Amino acid sequence: EVQLVESGGGLVQPGGSLRLSCAASGFTFSNYSMNWVRQAPGKGLEWVSYISSSSTIIYYADSVKGRFTISRDNAKNSLYLQMNSLRAEDTAVYYCARDRAVTGPDYYYFYMDVWGKGTTVTVSS
Amino acid sequence: DIQMTQSPSSLSASVGDRVTITCRASQNIDNYLNWYQQKPGKAPKLLIYAASSLQSGVPSRFSGSGSGTDFTLTFSSLQPEDSATYYCQQTYSTLYTFGQGTKLEIK
Repeated sequence: EVQLVESGGGLVQPGGSLRLSCAASGFTFSNYSMNWVRQAPGKGLEWVSYISSSSTIIYYADSVKGRFTISRDNAKNSLYLQMNSLRAEDTAVYYCARDRAVTGPDYYYFYMDVWGKGTTVTVSS
Repeated sequence: DIQMTQSPSSLSASVGDRVTITCRASQNIDNYLNWYQQKPGKAPKLLIYAASSLQSGVPSRFSGSGSGTDFTLTFSSLQPEDSATYYCQQTYSTLYTFGQGTKLEIK
C-alpha cells in the first residue's frame, strides 16, 4: 500500500525550532519529487515547499523562505522539514504529499496524488 | 505569485443536483490546474489534474474543464458523500498556490 506518514509535530514556543519527518512506503521514494503543504486551523491549504527526487531542485513559499529547510534521505525513504524561527502563524497541520507529473512534448503537468494524514504544529507561549 | 480565486466560497445543494464550482487564476496558467476534495479532519484527495483529467478511482460524476484563467469543477449528480471542501491548485508556476476553498453542503 502506498503510504506517507508524518511525525514530529508538537507544541513549540515562538522563535523555536521543530523538525518534521515523513516516512514513505509502498513505492520507490527516490523516483518522486515531494511537497509539504500546511493548513492553519479553520483555513485553506497552503503549499510550503517542494524538493525534486534527487534534491537538486528546491522551492519555498515566500512565507517560509529563509526559515524552513526541506530535505530528503532516499536511502531511508524519508522527507524532512526543518522549521526555525517559528511564529504563531506557522501553527497548522503539516502534510507531506507526493508530486506526480504527466509529461508530453510541450507540457509537464504536476499534481499531488498521495498525501499523508498530517502532523500538527502549534506555536505558542 | 499566481493568485487563485474560487467562487462561491460556500454553497448548499440537494442530492441529484448538477453543481459547478469556479476557479479563476490571476494570469494564464494553460491547463496546469488541479482539483482536490477535503473532508473534515482528513487529508486532501486528488480529483482532477491537468484541468480535465480524472484521477484513477474518482467517480465519473466529477468533471473539470477550462484553460487559461477560468476553470470549473462540475458534479453531474450530487451525492451525499460529496459534502466537503474543494480546492483548486495551480502548478504552472514553481510556487504552487491553492484557491481559498469552496465548502459544499448537501441539503
